[in-house]
Amino acid sequence: SQTIHQWPATLVQPVGSPLSLECTVEGTSNPNLYWYRQAAGRGLQLLFYSVGIGQISSEVPQNLSASRPQDRQFILSSKKLLLSDSGFYLCAWSIGQVVSYEQYFGPGTRLTVT
Amino acid sequence: ILNVEQSPQSLHVQEGDSTNFTCSFPSSNFYALHWYRWETAKSPEALFVMTLNGDEKKKGRISATLNTKEGYSYLYIKGSQPEDSATYLCASAGDSGAGSYQLTFGKGTKLSVIP
Repeated sequence: SQTIHQWPATLVQPVGSPLSLECTVEGTSNPNLYWYRQAAGRGLQLLFYSVGIGQISSEVPQNLSASRPQDRQFILSSKKLLLSDSGFYLCAWSIGQVVSYEQYFGPGTRLTVT
Repeated sequence: ILNVEQSPQSLHVQEGDSTNFTCSFPSSNFYALHWYRWETAKSPEALFVMTLNGDEKKKGRISATLNTKEGYSYLYIKGSQPEDSATYLCASAGDSGAGSYQLTFGKGTKLSVIP
């Protein structure tokens, strides 16, 4: 069966510090991978998605970046965090590129930038 | 960018009551409509994915309908139970143009079922 892991679960970082959140998927090959963020009072916002190793698409301009160094690994990074980066970050995966396929979400990371 | 709206924002019902919420989405270039349940301290979990106008899906006491021509979907919960308390998210799928699709989520309807 497929599982998705995210870490850390919670993180408190000062403004201007770097960020690295990691997501790994087990039990499937060549998944589509996604990073979402839920900021306070807002819905889930797609940040990045990837259809393959090294292929990253960004949905919103920001000081965040994503990388996919391996097939089942997706990393979200920042060189300098802003207060507005606080939120709940979710990684998700889906099979292939069919719109009727559901997405499977990880446990999430609660990031607080102070 | 799609604009997906959900109403109401929150809802309190008594145990045993039936309830429903609405998701509205742009009807043009429609691909699919997803419903997820997001319980506190857990990950969002898929409930339904619907693609055809008039689709109806059911899972236990929860069902959903889809009207792609007018751009709305209803989620119904029959005989609400405390374990139904969660935030219910809908998302409309759009073509990213890069060989994948992406979901645009509404802000969700937070349901609280009072025992």
